[in-house]
Amino acid sequence: QKEVEQDPGPLSVPEGAIVSLNCTYSNSAFQYFMWYRQYSRKGPELLMYTYSSGNKEDGRFTAQVDKSSKYISLFIRDSQPSDSATYLCAISSGGYNKLIFGAGTRLAVHP
Amino acid sequence: GAVVSQHPSWVICKSGTSVKIECRSLDFQATTMFWYRQFPKQSLMLMATSNEGSKATYEQGVEKDKFLINHASLTLSTLTVTSAHPEDSSFYICSPDRGLTNEKLFFGSGTQLSVL
Repeated sequence: QKEVEQDPGPLSVPEGAIVSLNCTYSNSAFQYFMWYRQYSRKGPELLMYTYSSGNKEDGRFTAQVDKSSKYISLFIRDSQPSDSATYLCAISSGGYNKLIFGAGTRLAVHP
Repeated sequence: GAVVSQHPSWVICKSGTSVKIECRSLDFQATTMFWYRQFPKQSLMLMATSNEGSKATYEQGVEKDKFLINHASLTLSTLTVTSAHPEDSSFYICSPDRGLTNEKLFFGSGTQLSVL
């Protein structure tokens, strides 16, 4: 079993839709959870980070963590074509060091 | 976010040659540098962790003699792919770390290596 499972997609949605991206993890020792956005052949860009269960909102993005279910989500509201990218979840047991990444979900938002 | 400069962004080389990739943290001193590799349509996999002034720690399955890492200063780390082969073709990304607790990690822009 992989430490982090993430559906690779691709996920195609119309502009303005709400997007839900998810990851599950296996080890309850993981305490830090992040979402990165990666455009083709670019380095990952940090979108959201959290270390507790619950929701965290930043503009159109909401990160949700459910430690009891070992399940994390990223919601994108009012999706835009510029949101088209690969979204990677990342987790860590010791601060933000030595991240373990999910496979990444490819998202395409079409006008 | 932190400013990380990685060069080159793209390199094409012949099989058997060596390629050096540089990663600079421009606005803070990086005591640690993480080097990742990403194959097409796959996630980032940690290759090695380097600490300034000491030997790098390699993840299982990564050949230390093939992927030479030098972290001679707090702002510069280099990864050299020696005697590159087509199977080494990948996207290489660095991530500097100051070693602070709960610090967010940022990444370089990546280097696409294509070995012919």
